[in-house]
Amino acid sequence: IAGITQAPTSQILAAGRRMTLRCTQDMRHNAMYWYRQDLGLGLRLIHYSNTAGTTGKGEVPDGYSVSRANTDDFPLTLASAVPSQTSVYFCASSLQNTGELFFGEGSRLTVL
Amino acid sequence: GQNIDQPTEMTATEGAIVQINCTYQTSGFNGLFWYQQHAGEAPTFLSYNVLDGLEEKGRFSSFLSRSKGYSYLLLKELQMKDSASYLCAVMDSNYQLIWGAGTKLIIKP
Repeated sequence: IAGITQAPTSQILAAGRRMTLRCTQDMRHNAMYWYRQDLGLGLRLIHYSNTAGTTGKGEVPDGYSVSRANTDDFPLTLASAVPSQTSVYFCASSLQNTGELFFGEGSRLTVL
Repeated sequence: GQNIDQPTEMTATEGAIVQINCTYQTSGFNGLFWYQQHAGEAPTFLSYNVLDGLEEKGRFSSFLSRSKGYSYLLLKELQMKDSASYLCAVMDSNYQLIWGAGTKLIIKP
């Protein structure tokens, strides 16, 4: 079934640890995104990629890094997790410059 | 700065009609989008407006007035399964989506 998958679904992490959230899509979308969603706030863009080999910073990029080695994969890495990074993380993909995003099921991350 | 405003929460009765408003101030405009998000799930695309007027899709309709920076999502014949958060988003001049915080819609029998 075509779509976008994220892993892990949920993770509890000690502060200071490194963590990578994985995201894979098989829709051949050129654009991919990482958002975080916190209670009472809208989706906030962390990083994005308009095409394989390129990435850009969103609204809240500090403490996060991404890579886009190919069209399908867009991992998000927290180099040294802090409690303020406790959130639900959504990966999404779309055709470039369209607003119809397809979201993964989300990764709930708790940093203690 | 860029801003999207929508009510935090609304309550409506099963079978009734509800209108969820969204006002926006953004750097440029390349379309307005509505998404539905059930609790604990991912957002899913509902509708897209780029020209003024009403777009109808079954029980859901979305309206846009670019001059007023205003949109609404109209849900008719409400069903219990419509209980969800509804997210308004605007695509700015850089083709980035700016998101509202969402409106939690509670449907009562």
